[in-house]
Amino acid sequence: GEDVEQSLFLSVREGDSSVINCTYTDSSSTYLYWYKQEPGAGLQLLTYIFSNMDMKQDQRLTVLLNKKDKHLSLRIADTQTGDSAIYFCAESQGGATNKLIFGTGTLLAVQP
Amino acid sequence: DSGVTQTPKHLITATGQRVTLRCSPRSGDLSVYWYQQSLDQGLQFLIHYYNGEERAKGNILERFSAQQFPDLHSELNLSSLELGDSALYFCASSGRQGADEKLFFGSGTQLSVL
Repeated sequence: GEDVEQSLFLSVREGDSSVINCTYTDSSSTYLYWYKQEPGAGLQLLTYIFSNMDMKQDQRLTVLLNKKDKHLSLRIADTQTGDSAIYFCAESQGGATNKLIFGTGTLLAVQP
Repeated sequence: DSGVTQTPKHLITATGQRVTLRCSPRSGDLSVYWYQQSLDQGLQFLIHYYNGEERAKGNILERFSAQQFPDLHSELNLSSLELGDSALYFCASSGRQGADEKLFFGSGTQLSVL
């Protein structure tokens, strides 16, 4: 089935690390993505990971994938107030369509 | 800027009416996807077109329809509107079919049905 779960809210202090978690149910997912949505804006692709990888690092962002547990996480190092937004994980199954199934979204609030 | 253009940005209409949302994909992209974002349903996939042909259908109501034109822009038509259709409608584009192609999203059309 298609079901992607995330915790609703995370609050951190500026300069700390943030870890946003995601669980998915479809083991056939080939790519997993993280998108950021700021108030009144669209979805911005942050990073993605192929299902045969365990980790991917991109500047302040680190993605960890535990395929056995179907668990994905996004770590943001040195979190800034500009990182305050809603973060969505998404999975795609590939094939003839790359439609994404999105998680419920996590609101990240960064306190100065 | 993702390169995906959606118009209009805001739309206010009444129940029972019909509206058309427009999406221009990134230059060269053949795929267009439509999503609906609401507080109670989250981000729901509606439909995917590739080079003018429907490729996948999600939770799209029968009152809704879409098409992709030869110039690759797409329109989402919503008819017999209900209060519950109020939502943010996104389109996204990607270069080709397949799992390795990333989706880039427009800034959305905010639909308010009164």
